[in-house]
Amino acid sequence: DSGVTQTPKHLITATGQRVTLRCSPRSGDLSVYWYQQSLDQGLQFLIQYYNGEERAKGNILERFSAQQFPDLHSELNLSSLELGDSALYFCASSPDGTQYNEQFFGPGTRLTVL
Amino acid sequence: GENVEQHPSTLSVQEGDSAVIKCTYSDSASNYFPWYKQELGKRPQLIIDIRSNVGEKKDQRIAVTLNKTAKHFSLHITETQPEDSAVYFCAASTARGTASKLTFGTGTRLQVTL
Repeated sequence: DSGVTQTPKHLITATGQRVTLRCSPRSGDLSVYWYQQSLDQGLQFLIQYYNGEERAKGNILERFSAQQFPDLHSELNLSSLELGDSALYFCASSPDGTQYNEQFFGPGTRLTVL
Repeated sequence: GENVEQHPSTLSVQEGDSAVIKCTYSDSASNYFPWYKQELGKRPQLIIDIRSNVGEKKDQRIAVTLNKTAKHFSLHITETQPEDSAVYFCAASTARGTASKLTFGTGTRLQVTL
């Protein structure tokens, strides 16, 4: 157990819908990262937050947004869902967001868009 | 942006043999290279990492080598065991202060047979 929690574990929804994925980092970690893992694209970095502020951005679609709250938990919002958004979404956390910190991954949320 | 290529995509070895996974990266600004292991249905976990000012690092049966000039790095697993069976991901990191971004390779599925 990495100490990073993610809810829900599984999510099944329909195209066009909107969902929110939630992540709680390890106690004391200030930085949160979101990744998308699909069969054909491996692990793709989406976005990083540090202490409530966006720090780095990857190939995150405009339909996706995220935020980190004052209690340091983070939410990833996915809207206008398409079939291709079906994937495993991981959250990771690290102590201070700097490069050499190990990123600890949560168990993931499996999203299925029908 | 950074691009990481990883080979082979699948690797089957007999127990006790060695396994080598190779990665190349494109961005000369990348200076941190972690390796993650992901067992079936589980989260990625860091197994070893190397910084750009180091050419080789070893931890028991696993070692990583880095050639900055050629922009490639490799994972070596010796005396493989069935529990080494998993998907292995290399990654390259670029960072500025508390903003850091990991770009992952597409993964190598390692199967250790008895």
